Amino acid sequence: DIQMTQSPTSLSASVGDRVTITCRASQSISRYLNWYQQKPGEAPKVLIYTASSLQFGVPFRFTGSGSGTDFTLTISGLQPEDFATYYCQQTYETPVTFGGGTKVEIK
Amino acid sequence: EVQLVQSGAEMKKPGESLKISCQGSGYSFTNYWIAWVRQVPGRQGLEWMGVISPADSNTIYSPSFQGRVTLSVDKSINTAYLQWGSLQASDTAIYFCARSYTSASHIDLWGRGVLVTVSS
Repeated sequence: DIQMTQSPTSLSASVGDRVTITCRASQSISRYLNWYQQKPGEAPKVLIYTASSLQFGVPFRFTGSGSGTDFTLTISGLQPEDFATYYCQQTYETPVTFGGGTKVEIK
Repeated sequence: EVQLVQSGAEMKKPGESLKISCQGSGYSFTNYWIAWVRQVPGRQGLEWMGVISPADSNTIYSPSFQGRVTLSVDKSINTAYLQWGSLQASDTAIYFCARSYTSASHIDLWGRGVLVTVSS
């Protein structure tokens, strides 16, 4: 299985901050990397697919980049509704695997 | 409305069997795969269990779940199922069904999740 490692596991940030979350794959996954946001009590929601494509309806402050083994999710200008847990997911091959998650908390 | 509607919360004893469901509506059910994702309450993390094609019942399991669960589908009623033959306490979790265009593509639609509690 491809292992996905996210960092940090958690972070504290203020409204308006720029936040970067990284995800590393144990082998090259080309650009088959997706990002999800999950709020407590809710199902995850896709933000970015194939590394940098913004899902319809997702604010432009969310951007994704990377290819191969290293990827980043950047939130430019953190908003109150962005405090949540973020997961990366590889869909290069089955079994599909997720990163361990990054919890973004209010500072 | 495009949605996946999951069955209700379950409370079971160790050793019991269980089958939970996920009904799709508002879209062509056989054009997408249905994946199942586990999340243990209070723990950060999502686990992909496997995926099934409603069109032909082609199924791919994660090795971590192979042999422990069974995925099935009844396309006549747009419903996918996840079942256990013998539950264990470690199966206590929230189970999401989710839609993806292929067996390995991003998930664009999720059910609300079903809490399964296994306790004696």
